[in-house]
Amino acid sequence: GAVVSQHPSRVICKSGTSVKIECRSLDFQATTMFWYRQFPKQSLMLMATSNEGSKATYEQGVEKDKFLINHASLTLSTLTVTSAHPEDSSFYICSARTVTLPSGGQETQYFGPGTRLLVL
Amino acid sequence: LAKTTQPISMDSYEGQEVNITCSHNNIATNDYITWYQQFPSQGPRFIIQGYKTKVTNEVASLFIPADRKSSTLSLPRVSLSDTAVYYCLVGDFTTGGGNKLTFGTGTQLKVEL
Repeated sequence: GAVVSQHPSRVICKSGTSVKIECRSLDFQATTMFWYRQFPKQSLMLMATSNEGSKATYEQGVEKDKFLINHASLTLSTLTVTSAHPEDSSFYICSARTVTLPSGGQETQYFGPGTRLLVL
Repeated sequence: LAKTTQPISMDSYEGQEVNITCSHNNIATNDYITWYQQFPSQGPRFIIQGYKTKVTNEVASLFIPADRKSSTLSLPRVSLSDTAVYYCLVGDFTTGGGNKLTFGTGTQLKVEL
């Protein structure tokens, strides 16, 4: 299947600082990537849809100025949490939609391993 | 977006077959049904995807009736390592489709010896 990576896997930062999370599709090109947030014992919540070369589309209630998304290439999308606060502490997960896979396989969304953010 | 409903939790024993049913009454024509598995502190892992009838791969089978208003994920002979949360989602993966997935509560499967 398709592989999606995230970096870093875990980050601890002070309140007020900004944190950048990278999401990469390793063996396929992804014109569309998605960012989710997951709090403990809860399901994934879609934050935004990231399209290569255009502005991200944010879900209702998600502040676009706080969660900056950049999708500059077909294999990389970044999420920057600006002026992070303790309530932003969460598990952030990206996914990438496959269009075609060189090795065959299913067109669907593949998820990264997630990034655990802790804001002190 | 089509909403899905699954049991909150299920218990099973090693070696048994587990069937998790999901209802999606307002599924759209272009929607595919996809199941993911998630372990704690990990991203969801793709298990299987289908549109209609039956789909089988090396880890699971997916049964979809003709009306497509529900689906059943079948895990043959589960083991302790299958203890995880299983999500059923529907989404449009056709070309130009929105592809947005809405996660429901998922089903916490617990497998015991």
